[in-house]
Amino acid sequence: QVHLVESGGGVVQPGTSLRLSCVGSGFTFNQYVMHWVRHTPGKGLEWVAVSSHDGNNTYCADSVQGRFSVSRDNSKNTLYLYMNSLRHTDTAVYYCARGTRGGFFGGFWGPGTLVTVSS
Amino acid sequence: EIMMTQSPATLSVSPGGRATLSCRASQTISGNLAWFQQRPGQTPRLLVYGASTRAKDIPARFNGTGSGTDFTLTISSLQPEDFAVYYCQQYHHWPPWTFGQGTKVEIK
Repeated sequence: QVHLVESGGGVVQPGTSLRLSCVGSGFTFNQYVMHWVRHTPGKGLEWVAVSSHDGNNTYCADSVQGRFSVSRDNSKNTLYLYMNSLRHTDTAVYYCARGTRGGFFGGFWGPGTLVTVSS
Repeated sequence: EIMMTQSPATLSVSPGGRATLSCRASQTISGNLAWFQQRPGQTPRLLVYGASTRAKDIPARFNGTGSGTDFTLTISSLQPEDFAVYYCQQYHHWPPWTFGQGTKVEIK
């Protein structure tokens, strides 16, 4: 069955960087769009970034544009989120989720990884 | 960017009762709307997509309706495990994909 597992979260200081990973299994990874979504108790769910199936097209939310980037290594069935210049407001649980080329996503999520930005 | 507005922010319902959650889009999104349930500390769970199609293994007490800009999720006969936060999400015009701010369904 479809399985997604995120890793790389932790406690970091403002202004520093972090790389999150998401490994997929149980499906043909290179055929699927993949997303990053984050959750905070105060703001709820927020879409963060997306990668096309081949990694040639990526987009990030305005709130992280210029600081975050997304990429993938289909040979390793892995999606990445590179997070730079981290802010307190980036503190959240980060999920990866499998998407479709038609735009819909949300049928499959990983368990999430917690990123805490604190001085 | 399409803004999604959910109401109410909190809904108090007795077990066995009925909950009606609303979601409004800032412009038409046809039927490209999904509903998610999130319990504390858990991953979001897809309930409904295409505004009215229940996802796999979702009980029939969850019913999604609407199209265009106005959508409703009705939960009939609330069970203890249904007390959670519910989010709507549009996937009509992207990027970005946008969520509503959530409706918390709490025990009355």
